[in-house]
Amino acid sequence: QVQLRQWGAGLLAPSETLSLTCAVYGGSFNTYYWSWIRQSPGKGLEWIGEVTDGGVTNYNPSLKSRVIISADASKKQFSLDLTSVTAADTALYFCARSPSRYYGLDFWGQGNLVTVSS
Amino acid sequence: DIQLTQSPSTLSASVGDRVTITCRASQNVDSWLAWYRQKPGKAPKLLIYAASGLESGVPSRFSGSESGTEFTLTIDSLQPDDFAVYYCQQYYTYPFTFGGGTKVEV
Repeated sequence: QVQLRQWGAGLLAPSETLSLTCAVYGGSFNTYYWSWIRQSPGKGLEWIGEVTDGGVTNYNPSLKSRVIISADASKKQFSLDLTSVTAADTALYFCARSPSRYYGLDFWGQGNLVTVSS
Repeated sequence: DIQLTQSPSTLSASVGDRVTITCRASQNVDSWLAWYRQKPGKAPKLLIYAASGLESGVPSRFSGSESGTEFTLTIDSLQPDDFAVYYCQQYYTYPFTFGGGTKVEV
């Protein structure tokens, strides 16, 4: 059974960099699309961006200037870096998998609550 | 960005009811729309992909349909496990976007 397990710092000060990593267990890393999504009370579910096993990325333009998503296929892991965080970045962050461009997000990580506060 | 408008935002129902949730896209998304169910504190769970494809392992009481830019999720015979929030998502064009959610409550 495929499992996505994610981790990273849960409390950040304004202007710091949010860093999260998601590891894939029980399945292949190759040929899939790997996404980050966040959920906040004020904005609902927001797709942040995705990376393929080959390192091709697509980002949400609303965050593109601050986001880097990368993949390490040898470790079956992918990561999210979001720079210059503010209180507006406080949210529950999820990693997720899509089998193809024509599918939904079929497996999700457990979620990480990230709070930005001074 | 493509806007997805779900209705209703809240729906009151009972076990055994037939429930219908609508998602309207602001522009064409072809059939590239998915439905998810989310319970408190948990990640969303994929129910339907490509507007009407039933995800593996999902009970057959869930079904999806489309008519132009209007998409519908139907739950036949609502079960206790189905009281949750439901979201639609388009993956036709970047950035992918989600609807605002529909809460199904007792």
